[in-house]
Amino acid sequence: SQTIHQWPATLVQPVGSPLSLECTVEGTSNPNLYWYRQAAGRGLQLLFYSVGIGQISSEVPQNLSASRPQDRQFILSSKKLLLSDSGFYLCAWSRSSRGEQYFGPGTRLTVT
Amino acid sequence: TQLLEQSPQFLSIQEGENLTVYCNSSSVFSSLQWYRQEPGEGPVLLVTVVTGGEVKKLKRLTFQFGDARKDSSLHITAAQPGDTGLYLCAGGSGYSTLTFGKGTMLLVSP
Repeated sequence: SQTIHQWPATLVQPVGSPLSLECTVEGTSNPNLYWYRQAAGRGLQLLFYSVGIGQISSEVPQNLSASRPQDRQFILSSKKLLLSDSGFYLCAWSRSSRGEQYFGPGTRLTVT
Repeated sequence: TQLLEQSPQFLSIQEGENLTVYCNSSSVFSSLQWYRQEPGEGPVLLVTVVTGGEVKKLKRLTFQFGDARKDSSLHITAAQPGDTGLYLCAGGSGYSTLTFGKGTMLLVSP
């Protein structure tokens, strides 16, 4: 069976500090990978998605970036965090032509 | 730009009541998924519907895809506190990404 991991689970970082969130998927190959941000328990904002190693599509221009160094690894980064970067970050994977996505447990980021 | 509107945004009911939440769009989708998210966790896929008029049942939950594949509904019979959560619908169009609605927050009180 497939599993998806995210770490850390929670993170408190000062404004201006760097960020690195990691997501890995087990039990599948060549998945589509996604990073979302969710504010205040509401809808999901798609940040980045990747259909293959080194292929990154950005949906929202901002101070975040994403990389996919390995087939089942997706990393979300920032060089300098802003207060507005606080939120719940979710990673997801998909391999279905119908588009079903499977989410990780999320990372709660608080920028102080 | 495809949009999915969910209603109501928030619903607070007593245990044992029935409820329906809606997911509407002016766009046609090739598939429609429903997810439930509990506080502090990632969304969990409940169901996918792909055929206009399709009805799927998952225990006390009934999902329907509109005939024109532009809308969907989720009906819960005899709601229980364990049904509490954020219900998200998402539409697929055969591309790599999904269009998500903003969700319906359901609170079921004992």
